[in-house]
Amino acid sequence: DGGITQSPKYLFRKEGQNVTLSCEQNLNHDAMYWYRQDPGQGLRLIYYSQIVNDFQKGDIAEGYSVSREKKESFPLTVTSAQKNPTAFYLCASSLTTGAYNSPLHFGNGTRLTVT
Amino acid sequence: AQTVTQSQPEMSVQEAETVTLSCTYDTSESDYYLFWYKQPPSRQMILVIRQEAYKQQNATENRFSVNFQKAAKSFSLKISDSQLGDAAMYFCAYRSARDDKIIFGKGTRLHILP
Repeated sequence: DGGITQSPKYLFRKEGQNVTLSCEQNLNHDAMYWYRQDPGQGLRLIYYSQIVNDFQKGDIAEGYSVSREKKESFPLTVTSAQKNPTAFYLCASSLTTGAYNSPLHFGNGTRLTVT
Repeated sequence: AQTVTQSQPEMSVQEAETVTLSCTYDTSESDYYLFWYKQPPSRQMILVIRQEAYKQQNATENRFSVNFQKAAKSFSLKISDSQLGDAAMYFCAYRSARDDKIIFGKGTRLHILP
């Protein structure tokens, strides 16, 4: 079955350390997205990518970095510059150009706790 | 920049009754798509319904329907015959056809009263 996998489900890090969240999809989707979810804040867009080797900043990109070296993979690095990194992170993918009515397919999320 | 606003942080409805969740958006684009997603306590996001901005007819999916008012930039979700399983966070989302950016509102937590 096709799907989108985020790992790990729970991640703990010490303040000042960079950490990378994994996101892999086998749906053959071109577009991939990273969101951060905090209570009362909804889903806020961090970065997104429409094609391999290209990505765009979302609304809250500061302190985060991404890469898109393969169509299937879109890892997110939370750097030490991110002031409040503890949150629930959701990765999603979708068909794109010509299929904008296609929904997002979401992973199960990663809960990152930084102390 | 586009924005999505959900003005109701929480709502409650009696089982079997009808409830409407509001969503407004702001954009200068003419080509876009709108979605409602549901997030139950499992936190898995589930598509509820979608609407193409170029379509005048309101989308319907079983007990779920939308009231899409393009001029008013309004996209409300109506849930008929509410069921206990409808209890969840509901998010309104906007997808730009220009740059493929997808943004969400802050969500409405829906409680179903037995």
